[in-house]
Amino acid sequence: AQSVTQLGSHVSVSEGALVLLRCNYSSSVPPYLFWYVQYPNQGLQLLLKYTTGATLVKGINGFEAEFKKSETSFHLTKPSAHMSDAAEYFCAVSRSSGYNKLIFGAGTRLAVHP
Amino acid sequence: EAGVAQSPRYKIIEKRQSVAFWCNPISGHATLYWYQQILGQGPKLLIQFQNNGVVDDSQLPKDRFSAERLKGVDSTLKIQPAKLEDSAVYLCASSLPPQETQYFGPGTRLLVL
Repeated sequence: AQSVTQLGSHVSVSEGALVLLRCNYSSSVPPYLFWYVQYPNQGLQLLLKYTTGATLVKGINGFEAEFKKSETSFHLTKPSAHMSDAAEYFCAVSRSSGYNKLIFGAGTRLAVHP
Repeated sequence: EAGVAQSPRYKIIEKRQSVAFWCNPISGHATLYWYQQILGQGPKLLIQFQNNGVVDDSQLPKDRFSAERLKGVDSTLKIQPAKLEDSAVYLCASSLPPQETQYFGPGTRLLVL
């Protein structure tokens, strides 16, 4: 079975500050890992994904995440927050083989204040 | 490239009524997914199609929910009869082979009164 835990349902940062959104996963098979962003009244947009290879993954809008197998983590970071980053962020895991049902975490709402 | 299309965007119904949602995936995407996103939670897969065959419907409440994928392209998700707890956003997504990135539509927001 697979599961995802996102620590902190709400995170607030100042504009220009580091963004760190935490994600821990559980998987009995090698996982694929994803971060999606959801703006109000919109669908989910893929920020980045890890499948195989390099454990540091760079995505859109300056975000990156590092797959740490020993810690079963896939935390999302951005060096400098922008007001436009305010949104809800979801971490998800799927199997690396077979049909890839995405298992999502509960989400973290990021607020960016001036 | 056009994205995943969904309609309607919003729907308000009374409990025990029926409702249907429509999804048109990205052209050429063989895999189609329906997710339910309850307020404050992450999306949960309801059903996954590969072409027009169902590969996972383990979390679909089959006593009231049904879905079909016509000719392996468009899909319809139906709820009959609706319950208050069905109030949620219903997201459709599609992908090329199942292991590829899933692309999401804007969702249909359902409110059951």
